[in-house]
Amino acid sequence: NAGVTQTPKFQVLKTGQSMTLQCAQDMNHNSMYWYRQDPGMGLRLIYYSASEGTTDKGEVPNGYNVSRLNKREFSLRLESAAPSQTSVYFCASSDRIRGFSNQPQHFGDGTRLSIL
Amino acid sequence: AQTVTQSQPEMSVQEAETVTLSCTYDTSENNYYLFWYKQPPSRQMILVIRQEAYKQQNATENRFSVNFQKAAKSFSLKISDSQLGDTAMYFCAFMINSGGSNYKLTFGKGTLLTVNP
Repeated sequence: NAGVTQTPKFQVLKTGQSMTLQCAQDMNHNSMYWYRQDPGMGLRLIYYSASEGTTDKGEVPNGYNVSRLNKREFSLRLESAAPSQTSVYFCASSDRIRGFSNQPQHFGDGTRLSIL
Repeated sequence: AQTVTQSQPEMSVQEAETVTLSCTYDTSENNYYLFWYKQPPSRQMILVIRQEAYKQQNATENRFSVNFQKAAKSFSLKISDSQLGDTAMYFCAFMINSGGSNYKLTFGKGTLLTVNP
C-alpha cells in the first residue's frame, strides 16, 4: 500500500519555465490537498479538492493551478515559475466519508523544487 | 480564520530529559481538533498525537502527552525521556470538526527540536 505518491522528488527549474507536480493516492480518499513548506512558515495550503470534480483555493493560491484528474490524482501546475516559488511541496489526502481513523490527512514525501 | 502560533522557533534538550513545546491557537469555533506532527530530516509528516476539543482529558501516546487548556486556547506537547530520534521539526495543527467534506489543517510555523547526547 503506497499511500500518497508524489513525483518528482526533486526538480530544478529556470524562471519562467512551467512544471506540473503529480500526486496520486491509492486509499480511495475523496479529498486531496497541496501545501508548500518554507523555512519558518510551516505548511501553507495552496489548493484543495474536497471531492472529485471540485477544487478550491487555499491560503496561497497565486501562481498555481490544479487539476483533479480523477479520484486518485491531483496535480499542481506552475505556469511560469518564479524564484519565490522555491519550496518543498506536499500533497495530502483525507477520507470524507468515514472521517479519519488515526490521522486527518495522509502526506506524501514531498517535492523539493528550486527555481533559479 | 483560525491561527496557530508556535512561539519557540528552536529548542534543545539533553537525552533522557523532558521538554515542552508550546502552541496557542485562535478560533471562534467550539468543535475542533488539535494535532502535533513531527517532521524528521526525511521530510515525512508523522502524526504524533491528537486531541479532540470536546474531551477534557489530555491525550497521551507513550512518551508524548499534551496539556490542553481550552479556555486559554493552549495546546502544549510534552516529550518525556527524550531520545535522539526525537530530533525533528514539530508542528502544531488545528482542524475544525465541521463534519463536512474535507479536513483542512492550519499549521503553526514549527519548532525545531534538537536532542543532544
